[in-house]
Amino acid sequence: GAGVSQSPSNKVTEKGKDVELRCDPISGHTALYWYRQSLGQGLEFLIYFQGNSAPDKSGLPSDRFSAERTGGSVSTLTIQRTQQEDSAVYLCASSHPGEILEAFFGQGTRLTVV
Amino acid sequence: LAKTTQPISMDSYEGQEVNITCSHNNIATNDYITWYQQFPSQGPRFIIQGYKTKVTNEVASLFIPADRKSSTLSLPRVSLSDTAVYYCLVGYPYGGSQGNLIFGKGTKLSVKP
Repeated sequence: GAGVSQSPSNKVTEKGKDVELRCDPISGHTALYWYRQSLGQGLEFLIYFQGNSAPDKSGLPSDRFSAERTGGSVSTLTIQRTQQEDSAVYLCASSHPGEILEAFFGQGTRLTVV
Repeated sequence: LAKTTQPISMDSYEGQEVNITCSHNNIATNDYITWYQQFPSQGPRFIIQGYKTKVTNEVASLFIPADRKSSTLSLPRVSLSDTAVYYCLVGYPYGGSQGNLIFGKGTKLSVKP
């Protein structure tokens, strides 16, 4: 596709359930980021993938959060045993090697934990 | 990573020029300065990037003094549609930990009629 695609656009889940959020980056972009944005707040870095290098997981808030990137393309962010404080918009971005600072963002997945 | 400081909010009127300044006192020699714009309910959008002096594109201008310890994003003749949050980032474009894409709280610009 022409841009970064995220699915689902909205997700409502019950507390304690697991959720998976998907990100399809722009073709050829080796860098992929996940962020979390709570209502009215800034972007909180979660995880960064760059090519075949080990991901930078320093932003993951707890061990309930994990992410994978298969084949250097699609990424999945998994949240286990969701809590109400996990409710936020989860944003994915990708960028071309050598233009790391010029990232393209998806529309995000709005997660609501009830 | 270089830390950035920018005003929390700014108000302007349609047709005015808006200048948003960002401080980055500990910017490294190889770091670039990048600005993003975020509208409500959307992901951020890259606006402009520069290393020194002045950069201009169809959206904005970026002014960087010789010491590079600050930068100013200039939006000419703003309209209501420029109401958004503007983020200043500093980092090395060729990667590093966290990809150097660390967003602060940004500056919320409100443009009034």
